[in-house]
Amino acid sequence: AQSVTQPDIHITVSEGASLELRCNYSYGATPYLFWYVQSPGQGLQLLLKYFSGDTLVQGIKGFEAEFKRSQSSFNLRKPSVHWSDAAEYFCAVGPSGAGSYQLTFGKGTKLSVIP
Amino acid sequence: DAGVIQSPRHEVTEMGQEVTLRCKPISGHNSLFWYRQTMMRGLELLIYFNNNVPIDDSGMPEDRFSAKMPNASFSTLKIQPSEPRDSAVYFCASNTDGGQPQHFGDGTRLSIL
Repeated sequence: AQSVTQPDIHITVSEGASLELRCNYSYGATPYLFWYVQSPGQGLQLLLKYFSGDTLVQGIKGFEAEFKRSQSSFNLRKPSVHWSDAAEYFCAVGPSGAGSYQLTFGKGTKLSVIP
Repeated sequence: DAGVIQSPRHEVTEMGQEVTLRCKPISGHNSLFWYRQTMMRGLELLIYFNNNVPIDDSGMPEDRFSAKMPNASFSTLKIQPSEPRDSAVYFCASNTDGGQPQHFGDGTRLSIL
């Protein structure tokens, strides 16, 4: 069965510092990979996705993520964090291919930003 | 463009009452998903509709839960009777032909007293 592990429940960084959120997955084949962000009281907003091709993907709000097949990882990075990035971040995986609707989410990493 | 619209945003009711959550998907999307988010279990898919037809309801926890999609622009998730353990945030999401990615609404925070 597929699974997603986000090993860090809560991370605190200073504004302007770099950020890396970890995501490891267990899946039988190369999956589709996603990062979503959830601000308090809001729904999940898609930050970026990986379907195929270049393993370094760029997303919105200055985020990027790198797919490493050998490590079954899809870590999210940002070079300089802004106070508005404080939120909860979810990694998700799903089967590749058209009509593949299933998504398995990690438990999330809550990011706090110190001004 | 309007996103996925859910109502109500918050619902507080007493155990045993019927609860109805509503969702309007993004116009043009023919796939709709209901999720439940809890601290213990995270985000779980409850049911998936494609072209108004339920395709996968394996995540519906029990018979107290039911979902309908009478037309392409409206879906309901009903809990009857409600129990305290149903307290959670319920999200609706939509996309095209069950593909990826899914677009989420802002959720309904449900509290059953």
